[in-house]
Amino acid sequence: GENVEQHPSTLSVQEGDSAVIKCTYSDSASNYFPWYKQELGKRPQLIIDIRSNVGEKKDQRIAVTLNKTAKHFSLHITETQPEDSAVYFCAASFNDYKLSFGAGTTVTVRA
Amino acid sequence: EAQVTQNPRYLITVTGKKLTVTCSQNMNHEYMSWYRQDPGLGLRQIYYSMNVEVTDKGDVPEGYKVSRKEKRNFPLILESPSPNQTSLYFCASSLRIDLGTDTQYFGPGTRLTVL
Repeated sequence: GENVEQHPSTLSVQEGDSAVIKCTYSDSASNYFPWYKQELGKRPQLIIDIRSNVGEKKDQRIAVTLNKTAKHFSLHITETQPEDSAVYFCAASFNDYKLSFGAGTTVTVRA
Repeated sequence: EAQVTQNPRYLITVTGKKLTVTCSQNMNHEYMSWYRQDPGLGLRQIYYSMNVEVTDKGDVPEGYKVSRKEKRNFPLILESPSPNQTSLYFCASSLRIDLGTDTQYFGPGTRLTVL
């Protein structure tokens, strides 16, 4: 099955700075890579995703990049705000039905 | 209101006592899935369903059963719960079966403790 590794496990940034979370995957057939945000005590919510035929995707302050050759993808958050504090999960799917998640990154934005 | 609901939200039980966690969605979604969330391990997929009577194993199906007799419901069954099944469980659904075509919506979660 797919194995997804996520780094770092914790990340503390100053408000206004950028945050970057990186994930690697094992199955070269994986073709869908979503990112979820989970606030404390809440359910995960999709914030951005990317398909394997695209190298980069942006949505306001967040962006995801994908390097298929190296089998890694990253989440970039610019101009971080206190409400960006949460746990972020990357995931990968190789068959459109099964989804394998990374272990999560706890992001803390310091005011 | 479009939503995914789970019941119960909290459950404390004892080893070996069969239990069912219900999941229901009112969005006519084809795809439904169960995940468990454990500290340091992220979310792991237990089972998923692509339509009525069509289910398949995720990464950690041992000790669990599911059924999809109706499109809106996807219960998770623990025939003989054990302490290592203590976890936070999430049900999720999406309109179409191809992940990436539509957003996957998560339920509120069920915190299960097996003593």
